[in-house]
Amino acid sequence: KQEVTQIPAALSVPEGENLVLNCSFTDSAIYNLQWFRQDPGKGLTSLLLIQSSQREQTSGRLNASLDKSSGRSTLYIAASQPGDSATYLCAVPNSGYALNFGKGTSLLVTP
Amino acid sequence: KAGVTQTPRYLIKTRGQQVTLSCSPISGHRSVSWYQQTPGQGLQFLFEYFSETQRNKGNFPGRFSGRQFSNSRSEMNVSTLELGDSALYLCASSFEGGWQYNEQFFGPGTRLTVL
Repeated sequence: KQEVTQIPAALSVPEGENLVLNCSFTDSAIYNLQWFRQDPGKGLTSLLLIQSSQREQTSGRLNASLDKSSGRSTLYIAASQPGDSATYLCAVPNSGYALNFGKGTSLLVTP
Repeated sequence: KAGVTQTPRYLIKTRGQQVTLSCSPISGHRSVSWYQQTPGQGLQFLFEYFSETQRNKGNFPGRFSGRQFSNSRSEMNVSTLELGDSALYLCASSFEGGWQYNEQFFGPGTRLTVL
């Protein structure tokens, strides 16, 4: 059974810092990995989808990397802003059309 | 184009009642999935529908059911509500639903409170 873990569970940084969020998964036979953002009480916003054949995917200040062999993905956020404060979730699909989610990293960017 | 919409956004019910939640996927998307999110368990998969067929179901009791209509809109129903059913229910849609490449897009959720 695929297990997805995100470390750290919470992170607080001052505005302007670059930061890295980590996601690990136990079964390396994945087809893709998706990063989401969730604001309190809201739905999930898709940030990046990285295919298993890709090593990196970029969108603006966000960069996601994927290393299937080691079962790890990282989400790099450059020049963080208070508006980046949210919970960040990673998810991998299983063969049953479901996404397996990590518990998320709660990010607070202070002015 | 319009995103995934869910109605209602908030619901308050009492134990023993039943509830129906609705989800309209992004236009052109034929796969709809449902997830339950609670602080303790995180996001858990309920079921997935594609072209009106349930292709997979998560580990939830039979009180949780769903269906999909020919226009891809989906509903989920929870009967005999329990306090533990209080959660944020999220719907996601994707173009085809195959796990290989398709990006999932989520709605804003329905917050269900069971008293």
